[in-house]
Amino acid sequence: AQSVTQLGSHVSVSEGALVLLRCNYSSSVPPYLFWYVQYPNQGLQLLLKYTSAATLVKGINGFEAEFKKSETSFHLTKPSAHMRDAAEYFCAAFNAGGTSYGKLTFGQGTILTVHP
Amino acid sequence: ETGVTQSPTHLIKTRGQQVTLRCSSQSGHNTVSWYQQALGQGPQFIFQYYREEENGRGNFPPRFSGLQFPNYSSELNVNALELDDSALYLCASSTPGQGNNEQFFGPGTRLTVL
Repeated sequence: AQSVTQLGSHVSVSEGALVLLRCNYSSSVPPYLFWYVQYPNQGLQLLLKYTSAATLVKGINGFEAEFKKSETSFHLTKPSAHMRDAAEYFCAAFNAGGTSYGKLTFGQGTILTVHP
Repeated sequence: ETGVTQSPTHLIKTRGQQVTLRCSSQSGHNTVSWYQQALGQGPQFIFQYYREEENGRGNFPPRFSGLQFPNYSSELNVNALELDDSALYLCASSTPGQGNNEQFFGPGTRLTVL
């Protein structure tokens, strides 16, 4: 079964600092991977997606993620954090087979706090 | 282009009752997926509907059921509510075969079971 692990339930950075949110997935061929952001009391907004094209994926709001097959990782980064980036971030993998076809498997989430 | 909408926004029920949540898919999307997000956790897949039939199901009991209508909108029904059913219920729409499997989420319905 597909699984997604996000290392670190809470990450705290200063405004202007590098943001790094970690995500590892269980091996699946081909993986479709996503990062979503969730602001308080809201639904999920897609930040970016990997669909087996370029391994470095650029998303909205200055975020990007690199797919590394050898490490089964899809870490999310942003060079300079802004206060508005404070939210919860979820990594997800798409299940392309079996009885749970169409299912997105989510990680546990990482809450990003940005300090002034 | 209209995004995914859900109703109601909030709902309070008591244990043992039944509840129906509604979702309208984004324009042009024919597939609806439902997720349960308990407090402090990631969303968990409940099931997916495509062409009015269940097209995949997660690890949820039969008292969680759904419908999809010809206009692709969908309902999630939960019978015999339990306290642990308290969660944010998210609906997502998509169109399989577009090559990216992207799902677009609604704002969710917050269900509280007392």
